[in-house]
Amino acid sequence: SAVISQKPSRDICQRGTSLTIQCQVDSQVTMMFWYRQQPGQSLTLIATANQGSEATYESGFVIDKFPISRPNLTFSTLTVSNMSPEDSSIYLCSGDRGRGEAFFGQGTRLTVV
Amino acid sequence: GIQVEQSPPDLILQEGANSTLRCNFSDSVNNLQWFHQNPWGQLINLFYIPSGTKQNGRLSATTVATERYSLLYISSSQTTDSGVYFCAVGKTSYDKVIFGPGTSLSVIP
Repeated sequence: SAVISQKPSRDICQRGTSLTIQCQVDSQVTMMFWYRQQPGQSLTLIATANQGSEATYESGFVIDKFPISRPNLTFSTLTVSNMSPEDSSIYLCSGDRGRGEAFFGQGTRLTVV
Repeated sequence: GIQVEQSPPDLILQEGANSTLRCNFSDSVNNLQWFHQNPWGQLINLFYIPSGTKQNGRLSATTVATERYSLLYISSSQTTDSGVYFCAVGKTSYDKVIFGPGTSLSVIP
């Protein structure tokens, strides 16, 4: 299966700042998604990253807070904007070639202080 | 949207024991996967199993799509099996997948 590289792997950020997370896949994928995993919780889908157009956000997530880009079929970024301690989570990127089997990057562990 | 339930929420096993984890879902799906999240947070694909039965070593999975459940069997458990097991489902193979709450497994020597 394909490999997803995510960076940074972890970061500690000051409240009020923004962090951009990058996701690079080693081969083209049809679909890319961004998830959030809050401490001790399951994964929650933030949005579907659409190539060349605006991302599709799930209920409770908005573009102003989580802007997403996907300029091509192998790369996407998620920005966490104007961060607060409640944004401390693991953020994960996933890819899917359209055969249904999702695969994940190693995640970005974010702590906001 | 689809609701996903997993049971039990927590499980403690003695090394060498067998276990069965269950995933129930509220609507028909064409995509069902099992993942293991290890203690370092890495998500590992175990099975892509929208229907039928698959086996991989000590692990096997069965999905009965018509009855909206899937089972993950772990035999002869090892301490390295510890972590959280997630079931994730989607309406189509091209759709997003929704994760269940997970089963936290601890295997003790």
